[in-house]
Amino acid sequence: AQSVTQPDIHITVSEGASLELRCNYSYGATPYLFWYVQSPGQGLQLLLKYFSGDTLVQGIKGFEAEFKRSQSSFNLRKPSVHWSDAAEYFCAVGARVKTSNFGNEKLTFGTGTRLTIIP
Amino acid sequence: SQTIHQWPATLVQPVGSPLSLECTVEGTSNPNLYWYRQAAGRGLQLLFYSVGIGQISSEVPQNLSASRPQDRQFILSSKKLLLSDSGFYLCAWSVGGGASRYTFGSGTRLTVV
Repeated sequence: AQSVTQPDIHITVSEGASLELRCNYSYGATPYLFWYVQSPGQGLQLLLKYFSGDTLVQGIKGFEAEFKRSQSSFNLRKPSVHWSDAAEYFCAVGARVKTSNFGNEKLTFGTGTRLTIIP
Repeated sequence: SQTIHQWPATLVQPVGSPLSLECTVEGTSNPNLYWYRQAAGRGLQLLFYSVGIGQISSEVPQNLSASRPQDRQFILSSKKLLLSDSGFYLCAWSVGGGASRYTFGSGTRLTVV
């Protein structure tokens, strides 16, 4: 079964500083990988995804992530954070569900990393 | 446009009371529907998914059940709530090529007291 580890529960960075959120996964095949952001009391918004091809993927809000198969990692980065980036970030791996409906996937999430921005 | 509605936003229920959370999707047909739970200090855990009316798959044994009486309606229920059922419940849907097209609802914060 697939699993995702986000080793950092809480990270605090200064506004304007660079950011890297760590994500490690376990999956028996080539994974589908995702980063989501959750603002307080809100649902989840997709930041970016990796399916295949270029291992450096660009997302919304200036985020990017790099897939490193040798390290089973998919770390999220941003060169300069803004106060509005304060939120909880979830890494997820996608797997095929066992149904006859081809193309469905279910997501397995990490425990999340809470990002605090200080002025 | 495609939207997902989830209600209520917040709910406080006593232990032993029943539960019904509703999720409806607009602007699409035959979606895959999902219920996730986010417990305090834990990640999002998939509870149920459904690929069609009346088709429910459970991911983890628990005190909850799910039903899909209509194509775009997904209901999460319990006959008797436990304290451990407290958490943030998220409904999601996807259509064809699923994982890249997940859309989440705004969630329900359930507190069992």
